[in-house]
Amino acid sequence: QSVLTQPPSVSGAPGQRVTLSCTGSSSNIGAGYDVHWYQQLPGAAPKLLIYANSNRPSGVPDRFSGSKSATSASLAITGLQAEDEADYYCQSYDSSLSGVVFGGGTKLTVL
Amino acid sequence: QVQLVESGGGVVQPGRSLRLSCAASGFTFSGYGMHWVRQAPGKGLEWVALIRYDGSNKYYADSVQGRFTISRDSSRNTLYLQMNSLRAEDTAVYYCARARNTWTQTYLDYWGQGSLVTVSS
Repeated sequence: QSVLTQPPSVSGAPGQRVTLSCTGSSSNIGAGYDVHWYQQLPGAAPKLLIYANSNRPSGVPDRFSGSKSATSASLAITGLQAEDEADYYCQSYDSSLSGVVFGGGTKLTVL
Repeated sequence: QVQLVESGGGVVQPGRSLRLSCAASGFTFSGYGMHWVRQAPGKGLEWVALIRYDGSNKYYADSVQGRFTISRDSSRNTLYLQMNSLRAEDTAVYYCARARNTWTQTYLDYWGQGSLVTVSS
């Protein structure tokens, strides 16, 4: 059971907008710790997608955006493309565990 | 360009030890903290350990505390993970990754390709 809760799967058609959620608690997201997002394509290493809640590293398309509110965070993907099909993980820090925590991951399927 | 290359994985019996290495290039290794993260087959990501840029502080997940040791050799631009008393549940792909920001706001901006560790008799 992950400290950060993500839906196991989400799907959308090409061109659509999808939102992936990441729900935490008062010891992690709700305590003000930043949320970061990673994309893991099939058979590949994870790649940083969003850092510090809403910032995109250089090279990440602006179709990807992040937000944070209270004890949860969201990753939005607009103009869905076939190459977006991947696993997505949120990550933060948890003060009760005194460590870095990841969500269980969401598998995005492009229909 | 930043490159991280893990090595040292393999098959090991329960209770034995193994040391992973992560060779870094393309950036000033001594200026960055470094993480180890693992991923069991078909499962999600699990953070393992972090070492600060100067090695002064090390942090571990409860699941590996007391069995694993993270270290670094800045003269060799190499990160290590010494894994002792290995268990079947330690079977995973182990990734090294560069750390950014402070300990409580850290994120991982570059990742290696991973090294598979299989613990089995």
